[in-house]
Amino acid sequence: KAGVTQTPRYLIKTRGQQVTLSCSPISGHRSVSWYQQTPGQGLQFLFEYFSETQRNKGNFPGRFSGRQFSNSRSEMNVSTLELGDSALYLCASSLVGGVHLGTEAFFGQGTRLTVV
Amino acid sequence: GESVGLHLPTLSVQEGDNSIINCAYSNSASDYFIWYKQESGKGPQFIIDIRSNMDKRQGQRVTVLLNKTVKHLSLQIAATQPGDSAVYFCAEKTSYDKVIFGPGTSLSVIP
Repeated sequence: KAGVTQTPRYLIKTRGQQVTLSCSPISGHRSVSWYQQTPGQGLQFLFEYFSETQRNKGNFPGRFSGRQFSNSRSEMNVSTLELGDSALYLCASSLVGGVHLGTEAFFGQGTRLTVV
Repeated sequence: GESVGLHLPTLSVQEGDNSIINCAYSNSASDYFIWYKQESGKGPQFIIDIRSNMDKRQGQRVTVLLNKTVKHLSLQIAATQPGDSAVYFCAEKTSYDKVIFGPGTSLSVIP
């Protein structure tokens, strides 16, 4: 079956703009978690959505938001982009809600966001 | 603060040798540990995991060791192959569902 699909793969934005990233989970999976990956900070948890509701949230400012649709696809939005938002944004899908790792979570290939 | 860190940011090994990648964690409440492999342009791929009630777990060519006394985690790769070249990072999950990832070690296999 198809894996986790993230679009677009690459994105270049200007400071102050906003951006929306998309994640389609594995068919049947209802939980989507978002992560930011930078060389300096590594992978950091942003938030998790399950059944269209945000269930868990990391320590990121309110400029980072998300939502989940009835088909479990999720979008992540970053407003008023800053240079420091340049990163690889990853999503992971899981069958059930909660923050999952290991064999219970499957990562997409990520969206590489560059803010100039 | 709480953190998961790696002792070696880069590691070069000869093909066929064994590789050891280390990780230190600081949260004694963590009860689940995972190693991931991330190749260039790809998302993290699960390698092996271990729960806090175990000291050692073996997979195919990989072994994870957990030393709770010194809060240390290691990944051993036997007979390292060129396809093992990637960034490896550890992750921990606490009993209250907090997830912490290490910064990663780049493994380079010399043919």
